[in-house]
Amino acid sequence: GAGVSQSPRYKVAKRGQDVALRCDPISGHVSLFWYQQALGQGPEFLTYFQNEAQLDKSGLPSDRFFAERPEGSVSTLKIQRTQQEDSAVYLCASSLNYRAYEQYFGPGTRLTVT
Amino acid sequence: GQQVMQIPQYQHVQEGEDFTTYCNSSTTLSNIQWYKQRPGGHPVFLIQLVKSGEVKKQKRLTFQFGEAKKNSSLHITATQTTDVGTYFCAGGSGGGADGLTFGKGTHLIIQP
Repeated sequence: GAGVSQSPRYKVAKRGQDVALRCDPISGHVSLFWYQQALGQGPEFLTYFQNEAQLDKSGLPSDRFFAERPEGSVSTLKIQRTQQEDSAVYLCASSLNYRAYEQYFGPGTRLTVT
Repeated sequence: GQQVMQIPQYQHVQEGEDFTTYCNSSTTLSNIQWYKQRPGGHPVFLIQLVKSGEVKKQKRLTFQFGEAKKNSSLHITATQTTDVGTYFCAGGSGGGADGLTFGKGTHLIIQP
């Protein structure tokens, strides 16, 4: 079956540009997570949705980062006025429901800010 | 906030040798998960441990969760070249609904 998909796979942005990263979770998965992974590091939690509700956004590094999941399925992570320190791989993961712990990760979007 | 430390950062082994990575949390965990990430890939779920003192095995892999639910280990017996990758532990603080706190990972390099 289809796994978690993300687009684009690679994005190059000039400093100051806005970017939008898309995540298509596994069909029927209630929980959706965004992580940021810097080179050689572990993923760092950004935000979490249960259906369309954003229940935790404590990991978002600044108010330039915004995430939404309006219909409880596809999610978009938006970064405004990108900075060089935003360069990283952005991973999306989904989980069956709030009681299920296993997270299925997508391939990630590699963002490079020049 | 919760911190998860993982050691060693890098481990070089000869093919056939054993490998162990250790994970320690600054706080008591509700569960711990282990993921494997191949070079250029994304994290893939290996296992979840929930109970204090729990031990689980998957073929050559043995996972342990400490009695205090603050530490964990992954042991691989007789490594193979297919075991190459980065192994991450990730701690959950409760309910299964929250984001995971990942360690920095242990990069396993295998020399044939």
